[in-house]
Amino acid sequence: DSGVTQTPKHLITATGQRVTLRCSPRSGDLSVYWYQQSLDQGLQFLIHYYNGEERAKGNILERFSAQQFPDLHSELNLSSLELGDSALYFCASSVEGSGFSYEQYFGPGTRLTVT
Amino acid sequence: QQPVQSPQAVILREGEDAVINCSSSKALYSVHWYRQKHGEAPVFLMILLKGGEQKGHEKISASFNEKKQQSSLYLTASQLSYSGTYFCGTRRGGATNKLIFGTGTLLAVQP
Repeated sequence: DSGVTQTPKHLITATGQRVTLRCSPRSGDLSVYWYQQSLDQGLQFLIHYYNGEERAKGNILERFSAQQFPDLHSELNLSSLELGDSALYFCASSVEGSGFSYEQYFGPGTRLTVT
Repeated sequence: QQPVQSPQAVILREGEDAVINCSSSKALYSVHWYRQKHGEAPVFLMILLKGGEQKGHEKISASFNEKKQQSSLYLTASQLSYSGTYFCGTRRGGATNKLIFGTGTLLAVQP
């Protein structure tokens, strides 16, 4: 158990809908990262938040947005869902967001299926 | 740019050794290695930093060639539990610790 929690574990929804994925980092970790894993794309970086502020963006679609709240949990919002958005979404947390490289601890993931 | 891993897949017998390589076209600050079992989250194995510092798993060794922007993960005397997909994640420095993950190497250890 990495100490990172994600809810829900599974999500099945229809095209065009909107969903919210939730992540709680390990106690003491200020950084949250979101990654998308699909069969043909591997692990793709989406976005990084550090202590409530956005630090970096990857190839995140405009239909996707995220935020980190004062209690450090983070939410990833996916809207106007398409079949191609079906994937495993992981969040990871680490101690800090810059300077020395710290290991990232991954949550169990949310499996999103768009039908 | 996504780092390239080789080989794509490898099958071993218990006790055999394997080397997994990760190569980037960009200058790197650090390389991170993770192992992921099917349907599970990636698990941290090791960080290698510029300057030679390492941090990670006791039974796994790795190297980082800063000039060539290449890293290798050495799995010796493999065990069944080593099976899974290995990913390298590369960090280029700056204000973010975001990782760009490689294409993955599937390792299967057979009895």
